[in-house]
Amino acid sequence: DGGITQSPKYLFRKEGQNVTLSCEQNLNHDAMYWYRQDPGQGLRLIYYSQIVNDFQKGDIAEGYSVSREKKESFPLTVTSAQKNPTAFYLCASSIGTGGPTEAFFGQGTRLTVV
Amino acid sequence: QQQVKQSPQSLIVQKGGISIINCAYENTAFDYFPWYQQFPGKGPALLIAIRPDVSEKKEGRFTISFNKSAKQFSLHIMDSQPGDSATYFCAARDKRSARQLTFGSGTQLTVLP
Repeated sequence: DGGITQSPKYLFRKEGQNVTLSCEQNLNHDAMYWYRQDPGQGLRLIYYSQIVNDFQKGDIAEGYSVSREKKESFPLTVTSAQKNPTAFYLCASSIGTGGPTEAFFGQGTRLTVV
Repeated sequence: QQQVKQSPQSLIVQKGGISIINCAYENTAFDYFPWYQQFPGKGPALLIAIRPDVSEKKEGRFTISFNKSAKQFSLHIMDSQPGDSATYFCAARDKRSARQLTFGSGTQLTVLP
């Protein structure tokens, strides 16, 4: 089945640690996105990538980093510089610029700082 | 900053009733308006979408009404069912922007049995 796989589903981080969230898609989509979801605040864009080896900051990129070395993979690293990382993180993909806009989402990773 | 304002934040409806969620925008470059449905612990999924050249789109019990002059659009859920209980997000796309979709803040819908 085609889709987006996020792992792990739950992740616990200690203060001062970096953690990496995985996102893999087999939809052959060019564009990939990372969103952060907090209660009552909707989806806020962290980073997005339209093509391999290129990505742009979204609205809340501080404390996060990404890479796009392969078309199907877009991992997100939550660094120790992110002061409030506890949230639900969603990865999405779409065909890309010029194509249908429907964004397909993964099942999310819930990150908790302990 | 591009924004899509969504209301209400939460909504409680009796089974069989009509659920109405509203969104408003300012950016006239938005050209695509989807609604996403999200169940707890899951990722959002596309429910229904509309383009600004039509005023209404219906799919089953779900209808989008679009008012281009007022820059508003709404989701109507007819004959609401307990299984419709979820969080609903409106969104809008600026085709000039590579970032694609901007989301509203979400509405948590509860349909009472």
